[in-house]
Amino acid sequence: SAVISQKPSRDICQRGTSLTIQCQVDSQVTMMFWYRQQPGQSLTLIATANQGSEATYESGFVIDKFPISRPNLTFSTLTVSNMSPEDSSIYLCSVRDSLSYNEQFFGPGTRLTVL
Amino acid sequence: AQSVTQLDSHVSVSEGTPVLLRCNYSSSYSPSLFWYVQHPNKGLQLLLKYTSAATLVKGINGFEAEFKKSETSFHLTKPSAHMSDAAEYFCVVTANTGGFKTIFGAGTRLFVKA
Repeated sequence: SAVISQKPSRDICQRGTSLTIQCQVDSQVTMMFWYRQQPGQSLTLIATANQGSEATYESGFVIDKFPISRPNLTFSTLTVSNMSPEDSSIYLCSVRDSLSYNEQFFGPGTRLTVL
Repeated sequence: AQSVTQLDSHVSVSEGTPVLLRCNYSSSYSPSLFWYVQHPNKGLQLLLKYTSAATLVKGINGFEAEFKKSETSFHLTKPSAHMSDAAEYFCVVTANTGGFKTIFGAGTRLFVKA
């Protein structure tokens, strides 16, 4: 199984600013994803982070708002840009293990509050 | 197309009584099905998974689920609830639709009364 760490674990930010969240995995993985979990809601996929190319975004999410980097097979960042209170959520990094029936592993999440 | 429906937004049981959390899925492909648990302010933890092997799947902490293709269901059960089981539970379906797609259910909040 993969062990995933995220930084920061939580943050409180002012509207109009940006926050970059880091995701580090303890092994090389093919698939990395970023999810959002709004208060009291389920998880929604933001994008698939592709190594060496642009991320693949789901409907309703755009690169200008959520730029993603993935410089190698163990690391990715998600930036939440020009934040508003509606961006207050938990952001989770996830990886898929293709050797284990496509089980997904999740990081502990980053709890973001925008004032 | 794939979808997953958790039939109850919340379930309340007494400690020591059985737990049943219901999940129905829809998939045009052979799916893999998972149950995850999320305790308050904690990350997601895999409880169990079905991957086309045995239809009755045993997981951690005494949980199990049965894959019933005829009913397109994957309900989660536990014979005897413990206070520590109080959490949010997510049913998840994944299938290779020309690229793996993972769909999360809306979640079921389990309350356990003393």
